[in-house]
Amino acid sequence: AQRVTQPEKLLSVFKGAPVELKCNYSYSGSPELFWYVQYSRQRLQLLLRHISRESIKGFTADLNKGETSFHLKKPFAQEEDSAMYYCALSASGGSYIPTFGRGTSLIVHP
Amino acid sequence: GAGVSQSPRYKVAKRGQDVALRCDPISGHVSLFWYQQALGQGPEFLTYFQNEAQLDKSGLPSDRFFAERPEGSVSTLKIQRTQQEDSAVYLCASSFLRGPTDTQYFGPGTRLTVL
Repeated sequence: AQRVTQPEKLLSVFKGAPVELKCNYSYSGSPELFWYVQYSRQRLQLLLRHISRESIKGFTADLNKGETSFHLKKPFAQEEDSAMYYCALSASGGSYIPTFGRGTSLIVHP
Repeated sequence: GAGVSQSPRYKVAKRGQDVALRCDPISGHVSLFWYQQALGQGPEFLTYFQNEAQLDKSGLPSDRFFAERPEGSVSTLKIQRTQQEDSAVYLCASSFLRGPTDTQYFGPGTRLTVL
């Protein structure tokens, strides 16, 4: 069975501070991993996915298969980064039921 | 262009009532997903369509839940004899193709409250 764990329910930082939102996964095969973001009063949207190896809005995430982690990082947080962040996993090949973590609420104080 | 839309946005039902939730995906999107999101939790997969075919319904919590997408476009999630534990936000998402790397586009959700 696949599982996604986001250990922090809430992460509070000041503007300009580095941010790391943790995500650990459990899956025996080769996963596809994603970060989704939901800003206040907006719908859930894709932030980035590991296969693209891209940086979106200054955020990056590296898949660490040894530690089964896909932490989301940003060197300098901005107030507009305040949102709910969800880590998600899809199994590559065959059935790919997406599994989401419970989410981490990021609050960036001025 | 228009994104994924869902209706109604809010639904209050008395326990035992039947409800129907509608999802209009982005035009041309092949895949359609339904999720249930309880308060304080992430979305949980319910069911998945590829065009009109329901390829996976393993996430439906009971036989009171039924989903259809008869013409491969609009989808309806029906819940019969609603229970209080059905209270949640129901999210619909669509993607252009099938595949684990396809971007899913989410609707605003329907918040269902069962009294």
